[in-house]
Amino acid sequence: GAVVSQHPSRVICKSGTSVKIECRSLDFQATTMFWYRQFPKKSLMLMATSNEGSKATYEQGVEKDKFLINHASLTLSTLTVTSAHPEDSSFYICSARDMTGVYNSPLHFGNGTRLTVT
Amino acid sequence: AQKITQTQPGMFVQEKEAVTLDCTYDTSDPSYGLFWYKQPSSGEMIFLIYQGSYDQQNATEGRYSLNFQKARKSANLVISASQLGDSAMYFCAMRETQTGANNLFFGTGTRLTVIP
Repeated sequence: GAVVSQHPSRVICKSGTSVKIECRSLDFQATTMFWYRQFPKKSLMLMATSNEGSKATYEQGVEKDKFLINHASLTLSTLTVTSAHPEDSSFYICSARDMTGVYNSPLHFGNGTRLTVT
Repeated sequence: AQKITQTQPGMFVQEKEAVTLDCTYDTSDPSYGLFWYKQPSSGEMIFLIYQGSYDQQNATEGRYSLNFQKARKSANLVISASQLGDSAMYFCAMRETQTGANNLFFGTGTRLTVIP
């Protein structure tokens, strides 16, 4: 079945540094990928929709200059948390849908990245 | 308004018993899809089951079944013969077709604990 690979699974960084998270669709092409953020014991909140070859669409309240998204190919999207602060510590998870599948195909998720900013 | 509501923050079930996790939704889109995902403590999101708004029959996938009541806008997940490995967070989600978006709206989740 469709697989989405996310890397790294865990990262600890110092305040003020930037962190890049990669999301790859391994056996299908994804023109669109989604980046979610999940706070402890909370639901997944959509941050942005990543579109291959064009600018990402950000949800209200998400700073596009802080959370840089690049979707350079049909199988790779990256999320860069710039100038990270402790409040950016969270679980980030990407997802993609195999658009060649049937209309009811689910979103496939990566395993997530736990970011801790010290 | 919340698009997906899960009113049970936590549920307990005895091993081998069945359990129902509640989910109600709100949409004006006549065409939509409802999904259930399982999230173990490791964090990954595992797709369990799908129900389309035009599907006539309730979806079933192994021990998972979806009790779809369209008039009530509810899509409860039923897990039969619970196993210890079923202990996890369970999220109900919806995708609306007419908006053209492919993203999912998630509920707040239900933490299921299976008791041996």
